[in-house]
Amino acid sequence: GAGVSQSPRYKVAKRGQDVALRCDPISGHVSLFWYQQALGQGPEFLTYFQNEAQLDKSGLPSDRFFAERPEGSVSTLKIQRTQQEDSAVYLCASSYSQPGSGNTIYFGEGSWLTVV
Amino acid sequence: KQEVTQIPAALSVPEGENLVLNCSFTDSAIYNLQWFRQDPGKGLTSLLLIQSSQREQTSGRLNASLDKSSGRSTLYIAASQPGDSATYLCGVGLTGGGNKLTFGTGTQLKVEL
Repeated sequence: GAGVSQSPRYKVAKRGQDVALRCDPISGHVSLFWYQQALGQGPEFLTYFQNEAQLDKSGLPSDRFFAERPEGSVSTLKIQRTQQEDSAVYLCASSYSQPGSGNTIYFGEGSWLTVV
Repeated sequence: KQEVTQIPAALSVPEGENLVLNCSFTDSAIYNLQWFRQDPGKGLTSLLLIQSSQREQTSGRLNASLDKSSGRSTLYIAASQPGDSATYLCGVGLTGGGNKLTFGTGTQLKVEL
C-alpha cells in the first residue's frame, strides 16, 4: 500500500476488556515497530519485528501486552485485561532495512485507545 | 539509558521568521537521529535522517545538524509558514538499534499570520 495502515483508528474499551490493534506495513518493509504515545509525550518503543521474528520486546509494559507478525507482513498488538493506564495512541512504523542500517522509518496514523 | 530533551517545549513565531529547534541526548553512541513532524491526530512524518557519520542534512527550507560529541542536534526552519505549525519530535537511534528510537517530548510550533 501507499503507507502504513492501522485499524481501528479509535477504540473505546471497558476496563478488563481485551483489544487487538492491527498494522499493515508498507509492502516489502522488513522491519516493523510498535510505539506507545501518551498525551503530550513522545512515542515510547514497545517492540520490534524483523520479518516474522520478534527481536526486541523490551518495551512491552507488562505481560498483558502481546504482539505478533506471523507471516512477516501484518502485525497485531494485543492488550489483555485493559486498564486505564493503557489509554494512549499506539503507533506502528515500518522501514525497509534491517536494524543497524537506519533507513527512513514510516509511521501510521495510530490507533487511539481509551479505556473507561 | 538514553534520554532525549527538546527545548523549547512550545514556540510561537510570526510568519517568515527563521527558527531553531533544539534536541539534546545523553548517550553519544548513536547510530542515527531523525526529525519528525506530527500534526494533531496524526502519525509522525519523517523530515530528515542524519546518520552518525554525518554533520547535517538539508531538505528544502529545513536543515538539521548533528554534534555527537556534545550530544546535540538542531533543526533550522527558514522562512517559516503557517503550514509549518505542528509538533516537532527528535528521535535518536543507538548503535545496533537502528530504528529503535528514543524520542523527546517534542516542540509544539505555531506560526502565525
